[in-house]
Amino acid sequence: DVKVTQSSRYLVKRTGEKVFLECVQDMDHENMFWYRQDPGLGLRLIYFSYDVKMKEKGDIPEGYSVSREKKERFSLILESASTNQTSMYLCASSIHREGGYEQYFGPGTRLTVT
Amino acid sequence: DQQVKQNSPSLSVQEGRISILNCDYTNSMFDYFLWYKKYPAEGPTFLISISSIKDKNEDGRFTVFLNKSAKHLSLHIVPSQPGDSAVYFCAASRVSTGANNLFFGTGTRLTVIP
Repeated sequence: DVKVTQSSRYLVKRTGEKVFLECVQDMDHENMFWYRQDPGLGLRLIYFSYDVKMKEKGDIPEGYSVSREKKERFSLILESASTNQTSMYLCASSIHREGGYEQYFGPGTRLTVT
Repeated sequence: DQQVKQNSPSLSVQEGRISILNCDYTNSMFDYFLWYKKYPAEGPTFLISISSIKDKNEDGRFTVFLNKSAKHLSLHIVPSQPGDSAVYFCAASRVSTGANNLFFGTGTRLTVIP
C-alpha cells in the first residue's frame, strides 16, 4: 500500500512565523503535490514537483514556497504566515495507472494561524 | 476560473437507495477523470476513475458515467450505505498533454440516512 505521511495533524502558529510542513511518501513516486482545502473551494493546487529539485507553481502559489531535496520528501514553506493561510493542507504523490495518473493523499495538516 | 464544477454542495439519500453525484467540466482537453471520497480529518481516498475513451466504468457498488459531448460525469452508488457518508470530489486531468496534475471540483457532501 502507498503511504503518504505528513509531519503534523494539527498546527497552531502566529502571524509572521515561518512554517514548515513536511510530507514523505514511501513508494518512490516521482510526482508530489501540495494542496489546500477550504470550505466551498475544494482542493486548490499550491505547488507540485516532477522530480528532485524541480518545482512548478500551481493555481495559488503566492505566499508559499517548496523544497524537494530528496525524492521521497516534499516540503511546503510559509515564509511569513498570515491568517488567510489558515486551512487544511494536503500532500499527495502520484502513480500512472491505466489511462492516467492516480494521486494518493496524506492525512492532512490542519494549520491555524493566529 | 473553476474548470471542474460540482453544483450540488450536499445530497441526502436513504440507505439502500441510489446516490447520484454530478460533475461538469469546461476544458475539452481533459481526458481522465477520477472520483475521491473524503472523511473529516482525513485525506481524500481514490474511489474510481474513467478514461475519455470509455463512457462507463464499474467497480462494485460504484459506477462512473462519462458524457463527453455534455462535458458531464456522474458517480452512481447502489445501494447506498451509511458508511458512504462523506464528501465526494470529482477531478480531471489532461494526460495526453503529459500533465499529471488534477483539477478538483468543490465537492458534494453525501449523507446516507439509515
